[in-house]
Amino acid sequence: ETGVTQTPRHLVMGMTNKKSLKCEQHLGHNAMYWYKQSAKKPLELMFVYNFKEQTENNSVPSRFSPECPNSSHLFLHLHTLQPEDSALYLCASSQESGLTPGELFFGEGSRLTVL
Amino acid sequence: AQSVAQPEDQVNVAEGNPLTVKCTYSVSGNPYLFWYVQYPNRGLQFLLKYITGDNLVKGSYGFEAEFNKSQTSFHLKKPSALVSDSALYFCAVRDGRDSNYQLIWGAGTKLIIKP
Repeated sequence: ETGVTQTPRHLVMGMTNKKSLKCEQHLGHNAMYWYKQSAKKPLELMFVYNFKEQTENNSVPSRFSPECPNSSHLFLHLHTLQPEDSALYLCASSQESGLTPGELFFGEGSRLTVL
Repeated sequence: AQSVAQPEDQVNVAEGNPLTVKCTYSVSGNPYLFWYVQYPNRGLQFLLKYITGDNLVKGSYGFEAEFNKSQTSFHLKKPSALVSDSALYFCAVRDGRDSNYQLIWGAGTKLIIKP
């Protein structure tokens, strides 16, 4: 496989459920991201990991919990979500050199519906 | 405050005609500018970026964008539109003075190319 792979592509969960989104990148990049995409709104950056260290957490509610066990894998653990959390969750990766920004490579997203 | 504006929610163009998707930005330092495209039910794909140098940047699928510092704009253009160009287009900027990975995104412009 190549690129950025996200699973599952679709997820329906109740507000009391616990589930996880998985992302894997096969590009050898050193940074990985979780974004939330809602209709007609700018992408919202949730978390950034650079060399497995979390460098950004944009005031995301604690019901979203990221995990980055290595530079190729990224998880988003979900628990006690709210209906307004329904959205497309996008994983991305990039190669950051510290000089100029690398372009993001996105997965196809996980469409989450919270009932 | 840093921001990106895509003033048009939707742009309609006849196939074969030139197209322009507008983007203006506001950052404190020098901007790093990006365009991404999203096809239905897919993740975002990188089209092109401006870091420094020539103001006219060429990218994938025949697209180009012109950086205009005085007008703080980075409009996306293509000389002759194809029906397959129909998609959602996002402009994004990163402040060159920031050491974090925060991209500021526009809300997106839906491009519809009619045969």
